[in-house]
Amino acid sequence: GAGVSQTPSNKVTEKGKYVELRCDPISGHTALYWYRQSLGQGPEFLIYFQGTGAADDSGLPNDRFFAVRPEGSVSTLKIQRTERGDSAVYLCASSLGIATTQYFGPGTRLTVL
Amino acid sequence: EDQVTQSPEALRLQEGESSSLNCSYTVSGLRGLFWYRQDPGKGPEFLFTLYSAGEEKEKERLKATLTKKESFLHITAPKPEDSATYLCAGTQGGSEKLVFGKGTKLTVNP
Repeated sequence: GAGVSQTPSNKVTEKGKYVELRCDPISGHTALYWYRQSLGQGPEFLIYFQGTGAADDSGLPNDRFFAVRPEGSVSTLKIQRTERGDSAVYLCASSLGIATTQYFGPGTRLTVL
Repeated sequence: EDQVTQSPEALRLQEGESSSLNCSYTVSGLRGLFWYRQDPGKGPEFLFTLYSAGEEKEKERLKATLTKKESFLHITAPKPEDSATYLCAGTQGGSEKLVFGKGTKLTVNP
């Protein structure tokens, strides 16, 4: 079946601009996660949704980052006033529920010039 | 602070030359230890989950084992297509976030 999909695959923006990154989880998966991966590093947790609510947002680096999942399926990660340090690959994962395997999408590569 | 450390950072093998990758963790109340494979430009691909010391899981040329302090990913008679970065991650009881190591970049030469 279809895996986790993320759009766009690449996003180039200028410092100070606003960006939205989208994640479509595997059908039927109630849990959704966002991670950020910098070059040469492992993925770093940002936020986790169970259904429509953010169950754990402890990894969001500051208030420029926000994520929503209004209908419990698709999620959007929103970054305001982008900075060069935000450049990274943003990965989305989904799972059937708590304490189950997380399956990752291909990621969105964000470049802030 | 919860930490996952992988070694070596990079490993070059000849085709057929078996070896092991190490993952040591200091995740208090470890609930699960995960291994993923990541190819360049792609997201991590799930390989194994281990839950308790002594547990082992196998898939083709890969075998993952877990002790109280570390996990090993054994690669038997590797092929060039096994070349990838292998990521280890842990989860803590009561938390859903994966804490990843930096990965081991494996290159298998024909």
